[in-house]
Amino acid sequence: DGGITQSPKYLFRKEGQNVTLSCEQNLNHDAMYWYRQDPGQGLRLIYYSQIVNDFQKGDIAEGYSVSREKKESFPLTVTSAQKNPTAFYLCASSIGIDEQFFGPGTRLTVL
Amino acid sequence: GESVGLHLPTLSVQEGDNSIINCAYSNSASDYFIWYKQESGKGPQFIIDIRSNMDKRQGQRVTVLLNKTVKHLSLQIAATQPGDSAVYFCAENILGNQFYFGTGTSLTVIP
Repeated sequence: DGGITQSPKYLFRKEGQNVTLSCEQNLNHDAMYWYRQDPGQGLRLIYYSQIVNDFQKGDIAEGYSVSREKKESFPLTVTSAQKNPTAFYLCASSIGIDEQFFGPGTRLTVL
Repeated sequence: GESVGLHLPTLSVQEGDNSIINCAYSNSASDYFIWYKQESGKGPQFIIDIRSNMDKRQGQRVTVLLNKTVKHLSLQIAATQPGDSAVYFCAENILGNQFYFGTGTSLTVIP
């Protein structure tokens, strides 16, 4: 089945730790995105990549880093510099500028 | 930044009735819109989209209406079913740039 997967589903982090969230897609989409979702707010764009080995900051990139070494993979690292990382993280992919397909999400909680 | 908002944060409807969910957008240059459905703890699912050169688009049990004069988007769900209970939010795109997402309306279907 084609789709987009995220792992883990739940992730717990101690303060001061870096954690990496996985996002994989087998839809052959060029573009991939990371969003953060907080209660009562719309999705906010963290980073996006339109092609392998290239990515751009979104509206809230501070405290996050990404890589795009393969077309299928776009991992997100939440660094210790992100002061309020507890949130639901969503990865998406798309062909060009059309509909974005979302993964199931990772819920990150800071202990 | 962009402003994509919903008039009502919650909506309760009787099973079998029609539901109408509204969305206001602020940028008249927005030319592509998507409605997503998100169930608790899951990633958003595409419902229907519409481009700015259209006023109406129909899918299976769903209709999206676009009023560019007042910058308003609505999602109509016919014969609402318990499985339709979820958060619905709209997204707008301007000339192929990033999407901006609304905060969402929580729809509850009463059996």
